[in-house]
Amino acid sequence: GEQVEQRPPHLSVREGDSAIIICTYTDSATAYFSWYKQEAGAGLQLLMSVLSNVDRKEEQGLTVLLNKKDKRLSLNLTAAHPGDSAVYFCAVSARVVGQLTFGRGTRLQVYA
Amino acid sequence: EAAVTQSPRNKVTVTGGNVTLSCRQTNSHNYMYWYRQDTGHGLRLIHYSYGAGNLQIGDVPDGYKATRTTQEDFFLLLELASPSQTSLYFCASSDRTGSSQNTLYFGAGTRLSVL
Repeated sequence: GEQVEQRPPHLSVREGDSAIIICTYTDSATAYFSWYKQEAGAGLQLLMSVLSNVDRKEEQGLTVLLNKKDKRLSLNLTAAHPGDSAVYFCAVSARVVGQLTFGRGTRLQVYA
Repeated sequence: EAAVTQSPRNKVTVTGGNVTLSCRQTNSHNYMYWYRQDTGHGLRLIHYSYGAGNLQIGDVPDGYKATRTTQEDFFLLLELASPSQTSLYFCASSDRTGSSQNTLYFGAGTRLSVL
């Protein structure tokens, strides 16, 4: 089945700097890609999702890049601020609508 | 916005104890899920359901039962709890036929400790 590796497990950046989180997956047929954010004491919330026909998507200071050749998905938080401090998960699915496989998470800390 | 409510938020039990975790969603989603979250493992799917009376096995089902009594309610049962089941449990729902398709809506979690 699908294997998802996420790195780094911990990331600390200064306010205003960018933060990049990367996931690699194994199934070349993977069709759906997403990123979730988990704030302290809360459940996960969807940040962004893309389908396999999209290479890049930007929304509100977040950039998702999909490199299908390398089977790599990345999340770039440009100009991070302390409110971005949370745990981030990638989640992928072999079908546009189907069971999600999650990465192990990245704990991001943004300090002033 | 989808609302998923879990109870209790915290639970402590002893080895061999009987525990039921409850989840209710109020957005008429067809799919509901139980995950456990452990450091170093991320989220792992225990069981899921696509409607009342339906149950599907996830990736880590051993030691867990689940029951979907209604469209809204999904329960996770640990009949002989073990310390290895100490974890943070999340319930989630989704509407695979709706515009949000693969989006999961999560509850706030239940922290279970098995002593």
